[in-house]
Amino acid sequence: GQQVMQIPQYQHVQEGEDFTTYCNSSTTLSNIQWYKQRPGGHPVFLIQLVKSGEVKKQKRLTFQFGEAKKNSSLHITATQTTDVGTYFCASGNTGKLIFGQGTTLQVKP
Amino acid sequence: DGGITQSPKYLFRKEGQNVTLSCEQNLNHDAMYWYRQDPGQGLRLIYYSQIVNDFQKGDIAEGYSVSREKKESFPLTVTSAQKNPTAFYLCASKTAANTGELFFGEGSRLTVL
Repeated sequence: GQQVMQIPQYQHVQEGEDFTTYCNSSTTLSNIQWYKQRPGGHPVFLIQLVKSGEVKKQKRLTFQFGEAKKNSSLHITATQTTDVGTYFCASGNTGKLIFGQGTTLQVKP
Repeated sequence: DGGITQSPKYLFRKEGQNVTLSCEQNLNHDAMYWYRQDPGQGLRLIYYSQIVNDFQKGDIAEGYSVSREKKESFPLTVTSAQKNPTAFYLCASKTAANTGELFFGEGSRLTVL
């Protein structure tokens, strides 16, 4: 079945450094979604990308969908302590949504 | 307020007992989902339902059962056949469209002693 692989699993950064997580698939994805889960919380939707090569920005967060629609990335510029949590990509169609393993971000003040 | 309510938040059970986790939504969403979350393994899909009285197995359905008798409700039963049931269970819902965000409940943490 469809799988999305996410790397890295963990990332520790100093506050102010940049952070990137990557999501890869061996098959073409119809869309990609990104979620953030704070420690002890539940996943919260961040954004959805649908078009090949699409780039969207939310303040310090930049989301990209690859030209071949097989990969995606989330980049955070100048991390802050409020960015800590686990970031998940997810994709699917016909109702079935599959999540990547997530990247847990720790930010050292 | 519209949202998804999961109960109980914490649950302890003895090995061999069946457990039912509740999930209720008042968002008028057609599709509902159950995910299991274990450390380092992300969210794994157990069951999902796109319409009342219909549901499909996800990637790890063995040892679980669901029902969808009402649009707003999608309970999950963790049966004694589930070999490693201790986990964090998340219920979610969305509109029926192929795109669109998932709204999650706050989760139920099940510990089997």
